[in-house]
Order: sequence, then C-alpha cells, then structure tokens
Amino acid sequence: EAAVTQSPRNKVAVTGGKVTLSCNQTNNHNNMYWYRQDTGHGLRLIHYSYGAGSTEKGDIPDGYKASRPSQENFSLILELATPSQTSVYFCASGRISGNTLYFGEGSRLIVV
Amino acid sequence: GDSVTQKEGLVTLTEGLPVMLNCTYQTIYSNAFLFWYVHYLNESPRLLLKSSTDNKRTEHQGFHATLHKSSSSFHLQKSSAQLSDSALYYCALPNSNNRIFFGDGTQLVVKP
Repeated sequence: EAAVTQSPRNKVAVTGGKVTLSCNQTNNHNNMYWYRQDTGHGLRLIHYSYGAGSTEKGDIPDGYKASRPSQENFSLILELATPSQTSVYFCASGRISGNTLYFGEGSRLIVV
Repeated sequence: GDSVTQKEGLVTLTEGLPVMLNCTYQTIYSNAFLFWYVHYLNESPRLLLKSSTDNKRTEHQGFHATLHKSSSSFHLQKSSAQLSDSALYYCALPNSNNRIFFGDGTQLVVKP
C-alpha cells in the first residue's frame, strides 16, 4: 500500500506568518500534488511536481510556493498566510498521469 | 481545456435505494482515464474505481461505472445504498501533462 504522510496534521497560524506544510512519500512516485479542499469547491490543485527539482503551478497558485528537494518530499509554503487560506490541504503522489493517486491524511490549517 | 463536471453537490437518499452520481467530462484525448475517488470523513481520499475502456462496466465494492465516450460520461451507480456509503465522491480526469482534474465532488448522505 502506497504511503503518503503529511505534517503537521493541524496548524493554527497568525495572519502574515509563514507556514510550511510537508509531505513525504515512500513509493518512489515521480508525481506529487498539493490540493486544497473547501466545501463547494472540491479538490483544487495548487502546485504539482514531475520529480525532484521541478514545481509547476496548478489552478490556484497565488499565495503559495512549492519545493521538491527530493523524490520523496514535496512542501507547500505560505510566505504570508491570510485567513482565506484556511482550509484542509491534501498531498498526493502518483507514478504517471493515468495511474492512481495516493493521498495523505490531510493538514487542517486555520489562519487567524 | 480538460474539465470534469459533477452537477449534484449533494445527494440525499434512503438506505436501500439505488445510487447514481453523475460525471461528465471534456477532453481532446481519446484514451483518457476516468476515476472515481471516495473520501470518507476523517480519512484520506482513495480510489474507488477507474476505466479507460469505452462501454465496459467497471465494478468495485458494490459500485459500478461505465465509461461512455460518445456522451463523455462516467456515472457512478450502486443498486442499493448503505449507510456506510455516506461520503464525498469525486470524479477525476488526468491529462497527458500529469495534471489531474477533479470535479467539485458530490456529497452522498444515506439515511435510515
């Protein structure tokens, strides 16, 4: 079973603060993704990566940066957190485009 | 561009009745994969079933779906809903650029 782990699982941040959400996968998958999930919007793609050193913008990248320092790790960075970024964030990995995505447990972020 | 439409945001029905969740998609690729993911509360989203074969029924865990390329549809069905089927269901479409497009999701609520 593919394993994707996220940290932290829960985070309260102050407006204007920096937040880093981390994701680790042990499946040697090339592709990794960051989504946010909000009621009425489903899963929206923020950033994704084809492999170590690559990051690509998804559908809603504004206010977010991403970093893929290795095959296993993919981070989402909020340099200046805002209350509108309060959400649940999911990381996922997959081998190639037509293959199954494996999701982490989610990171619940509240920005106050 | 590629897109997925799930027109029902919420489906509420009584245990034992049939389930049908709609999914239509748009893509220029003739060999597209379509996926259904299920997200139970407090768990990670996970694959329910997938298909790339036209007019072939795919089944898993009591659910089934048939990809119809002529109508660009991949509706999820089950003959008899159970209380444990209550969850958020996503239809998804990957493209050749490693992007995965999710619909907005359908919340299924099964009542006794």
